[in-house]
Amino acid sequence: ETGVTQSPTHLIKTRGQQVTLRCSSQSGHNTVSWYQQALGQGPQFIFQYYREEENGRGNFPPRFSGLQFPNYSSELNVNALELDDSALYLCASSKGPGVQLGQYFGPGTRLTVT
Amino acid sequence: AQTVTQSQPEMSVQEAETVTLSCTYDTSESDYYLFWYKQPPSRQMILVIRQEAYKQQNATENRFSVNFQKAAKSFSLKISDSQLGDAAMYFCAYRSRGNSGNTPLVFGKGTRLSVIA
Repeated sequence: ETGVTQSPTHLIKTRGQQVTLRCSSQSGHNTVSWYQQALGQGPQFIFQYYREEENGRGNFPPRFSGLQFPNYSSELNVNALELDDSALYLCASSKGPGVQLGQYFGPGTRLTVT
Repeated sequence: AQTVTQSQPEMSVQEAETVTLSCTYDTSESDYYLFWYKQPPSRQMILVIRQEAYKQQNATENRFSVNFQKAAKSFSLKISDSQLGDAAMYFCAYRSRGNSGNTPLVFGKGTRLSVIA
């Protein structure tokens, strides 16, 4: 069983640029959630995708957007990057959106905005 | 909104000893789940243990156990026979059951655990 994978591992961008982060969900999982983890903080929920539709969103501006593909992999897009967007971005997949189903995390993408 | 508080930014334990990490949470809901996640330097968040709020019995997974006090809104993690591989950041997290299932994990700020050989 393949676990959750994310790419790239590290990324450096300049303020104002756009970035796309990718996540491949674990085999058999149809739900992907994205979290932002700033240095020294716990992860914060960005949004969740279930069967290719956004299924819940945290307190993040519209310049954070996402997609989920038919194979349930997902992308997180961030436009007009700001210095505060520097963080570890984690994706987590699960067999469904239900709370009783565990979320399995990927290793994250470290984004640095200069 | 729910909040999760971990009051111990750092803890240390001698190898083979027992350590308890604290977590409190604030919610007006009665049906929810609580989790402890471990994040080693590799950054990958690993589920350690979870507790369903409607279950009175404390969850146990090998050397890891919890003390769930629903009335006090407290959810501590006990690690017995600590091993060097237990060194990591530990996050306490809350998740509402919700009706549609689209409820996110709400994390605390974490406790950094060091294990001394």
